Amino acid sequence: EVQLVQSGAEVKKPGESLKISCKGSGYSFTSYWIGWVRQMPGKGLEWMGIIYPGDSDTRYSPSFQGQVTISADKSISTAYLQWSSLKASDTAMYYCARPKEPTTAALLDYWGQGTLVTVSS
Amino acid sequence: AIWMTQSPSLLSASTGDRVTISCRMSQGISSYLAWYQQKPGKAPELLIYAASTLQSGVPSRFSGSGSGTDFTLTISCLQSEDFATYYCQQYYSFPPIFGGGTKVEIK
Repeated sequence: EVQLVQSGAEVKKPGESLKISCKGSGYSFTSYWIGWVRQMPGKGLEWMGIIYPGDSDTRYSPSFQGQVTISADKSISTAYLQWSSLKASDTAMYYCARPKEPTTAALLDYWGQGTLVTVSS
Repeated sequence: AIWMTQSPSLLSASTGDRVTISCRMSQGISSYLAWYQQKPGKAPELLIYAASTLQSGVPSRFSGSGSGTDFTLTISCLQSEDFATYYCQQYYSFPPIFGGGTKVEIK
């Protein structure tokens, strides 16, 4: 069974750094892209970026380029999303997701449970 | 980048109704369009891909149509469990953006 398990909720202050995780299991982690999607409170879904754990090829949506860093450690089947300096506007639910097929990187079929990040002074 | 317009943003309907949600693209995307359902407090779920292919396990009252720039999600006979928010997403080009969402609420 394919599963994506994300790290728990975080409460941080503006300016702090953060790294959240997404552990994949039940499939070949290095053969599928992993995407990250943001959902701000009461708002819609926003595509952030994707990574191919097999070779760490990473693509960012222009809106998120330079704002976050996506990485992966294939030895432990885990993808990461990190911030070097959080802002209040980073408060959101963050989902990781895996595509339906290896060749359709953006068609997301399996989703993590979400990680709620709250940034407040 | 491709822009998309999803409408309506809010749809009030009753159980048993037939409802239609539209997604329009700023340029042609062939059939590279997906529909997702999201219930409160839950992650989105893939309903339809390739514009009209039902994901495994999705009830047949859901259907998708369209190609090029205009797409439609139809729920033929709305059930109580269908009250949720629906998103379209193009995966023809990067970034694979989502539509703004349509909340289907009880009338």
